[in-house]
Amino acid sequence: GAVVSQHPSWVICKSGTSVKIECRSLDFQATTMFWYRQFPKQSLMLMATSNEGSKATYEQGVEKDKFLINHASLTLSTLTVTSAHPEDSSFYICSAEGGLGNTEAFFGQGTRLTVV
Amino acid sequence: TQLLEQSPQFLSIQEGENLTVYCNSSSVFSSLQWYRQEPGEGPVLLVTVVTGGEVKKLKRLTFQFGDARKDSSLHITAAQPGDTGLYLCAGARSYNTDKLIFGTGTRLQVFP
Repeated sequence: GAVVSQHPSWVICKSGTSVKIECRSLDFQATTMFWYRQFPKQSLMLMATSNEGSKATYEQGVEKDKFLINHASLTLSTLTVTSAHPEDSSFYICSAEGGLGNTEAFFGQGTRLTVV
Repeated sequence: TQLLEQSPQFLSIQEGENLTVYCNSSSVFSSLQWYRQEPGEGPVLLVTVVTGGEVKKLKRLTFQFGDARKDSSLHITAAQPGDTGLYLCAGARSYNTDKLIFGTGTRLQVFP
């Protein structure tokens, strides 16, 4: 199957700082990438949909100024958590699709963010 | 509002037992996928079902999509410790086939 790589796998940061998470599709061009958040022992909650070259579409309740998404190329999307606070600590996961209505999404390995 | 409810939420069984996980919704989905996720990792796709009534088998795993495409089930025969993980169903709505809606999840623990 296709490979999606997330970096970093884990990060610890101080409250008030910003953290950038990268999501790369290694062997295919991803027209659409998705960012999810997962709290311990819970399911994935979609945060935003990112399309290459356009603004991300955020789900209701997700602050777009806090969670900045950039999808500058067909193989890279970034999520920046700005002015992070302890309540932003979570497991963030990206997925990528090749488009054309194909809903088979390939997931990254996730990034565990801990804000202290 | 959670569109996809999974049951049971937790399941703890002995090796060799059979089990069924259910994924239910009041909404129709154009396709439904099942994933398994291990701690600290992203979900891994197990199967995609697209046709109402469709049954797919993957070794000891049997997946079924309801006739009305509102529900699905995952049956595991002779569970093994390696089956332990979080099982997630995810549906694509007919009007927006790109976005997946994830179910509430079922955490399975298989003891040797």
